[in-house]
Amino acid sequence: DSGVTQTPKHLITATGQRVTLRCSPRSGDLSVYWYQQSLDQGLQFLIQYYNGEERAKGNILERFSAQQFPDLHSELNLSSLELGDSALYFCASSARLAGGGETQYFGPGTRLLVL
Amino acid sequence: GENVEQHPSTLSVQEGDSAVIKCTYSDSASNYFPWYKQELGKGPQLIIDIRSNVGEKKDQRIAVTLNKTAKHFSLHITETQPEDSAVYFCAASSVGGSQGNLIFGKGTKLSVKP
Repeated sequence: DSGVTQTPKHLITATGQRVTLRCSPRSGDLSVYWYQQSLDQGLQFLIQYYNGEERAKGNILERFSAQQFPDLHSELNLSSLELGDSALYFCASSARLAGGGETQYFGPGTRLLVL
Repeated sequence: GENVEQHPSTLSVQEGDSAVIKCTYSDSASNYFPWYKQELGKGPQLIIDIRSNVGEKKDQRIAVTLNKTAKHFSLHITETQPEDSAVYFCAASSVGGSQGNLIFGKGTKLSVKP
């Protein structure tokens, strides 16, 4: 157990709909990352938040948005859903390492199916 | 920015054999290299990591080597077992990049046949 929690585990919805995925980072971690993983694909970086502010942005669609709240949990909002948005969505939080740098710990993911 | 290449994309070995997965990186400023194991339906799990001031690190059947000059690092799994079957991702730290603090390789699907 990494200490990162994600809800829900599974989500089934229809095209055109909007969903919200939730992530709680490990205790004490200030950074949250969101990744998308399509079938048999690698980890596509979407966006990073640090202590409530957007820190880095990857290949995130305009239909997608995220935010990090004062209690450090984060939400990823996906709107106008398309069939191709079906994927696993992972959240990770990062911890500082002794000697500098950071590593990432991943949550169990949310499996989204758009029908 | 940093770019990480990972090979092979798939690897099949017999139980008890060794498995080696290789990654190369482009940014000489990268100084931290973690490896993740992702089992089916689960999130990636950190299994071992290495810093640029160390050439090799070992943890039981898993070892990682780093060649800073050539900018490549490898994961070695000895005496493979069926439970080692998973997708393995390498990553390299990104300094000031736009992709977050880690850049991931595309993954290697390891199958260990009993």
